[in-house]
Amino acid sequence: DVKVTQSSRYLVKRTGEKVFLECVQDMDHENMFWYRQDPGLGLRLIYFSYDVKMKEKGDIPEGYSVSREKKERFSLILESASTNQTSMYLCASRGSTGHHEQYFGPGTRLTVT
Amino acid sequence: QQQVKQSPQSLIVQKGGISIINCAYENTAFDYFPWYQQFPGKGPALLIAIRPDVSEKKEGRFTISFNKSAKQFSLHIMDSQPGDSATYFCAATFGAQKLVFGQGTRLTINP
Repeated sequence: DVKVTQSSRYLVKRTGEKVFLECVQDMDHENMFWYRQDPGLGLRLIYFSYDVKMKEKGDIPEGYSVSREKKERFSLILESASTNQTSMYLCASRGSTGHHEQYFGPGTRLTVT
Repeated sequence: QQQVKQSPQSLIVQKGGISIINCAYENTAFDYFPWYQQFPGKGPALLIAIRPDVSEKKEGRFTISFNKSAKQFSLHIMDSQPGDSATYFCAATFGAQKLVFGQGTRLTINP
């Protein structure tokens, strides 16, 4: 069964802290994605990766960075958390070209105070 | 041009009724249009998808209607059930690259 897991369901951090969100998939997928979900704005792509050590900016990369050292793991990093980064963060993975379906993790609700 | 506009933001339908959610896009290069369903506390999951070479796709009670000339597509849920209460997202992509999502519709089915 397809599975994408995220390290935390809920996280509370202080302004200025460095935050790591971890995502692991067990499907041997090449492509992995980080989104943030906000009411009325849908899902917005932060970064994605199509291979180990490869990354591309999405639509809203400012204030974020990513790391993909292993195929199954994709990390989202908030270098200095700010209150406007309070959101739901969703990780997804997708197989190789020709496979469109993205599989999502359950999400991490991050609150920055 | 990369936007997908979705409406309504929220929708309340009586049990047994038809739920209709609409989306519009600008980029004619889009070649795959999925709908995702998200229950509270869960990530979105693929519900149904269509390519622009067909005008309709049906899977059980869920139907996508696609109007290429109008650059619009919609999700119809027939005989809506309380278990269909969820947030629905339309999306679009081309060449199996990144998905562009609509704003989401929170659907509530009243028993």
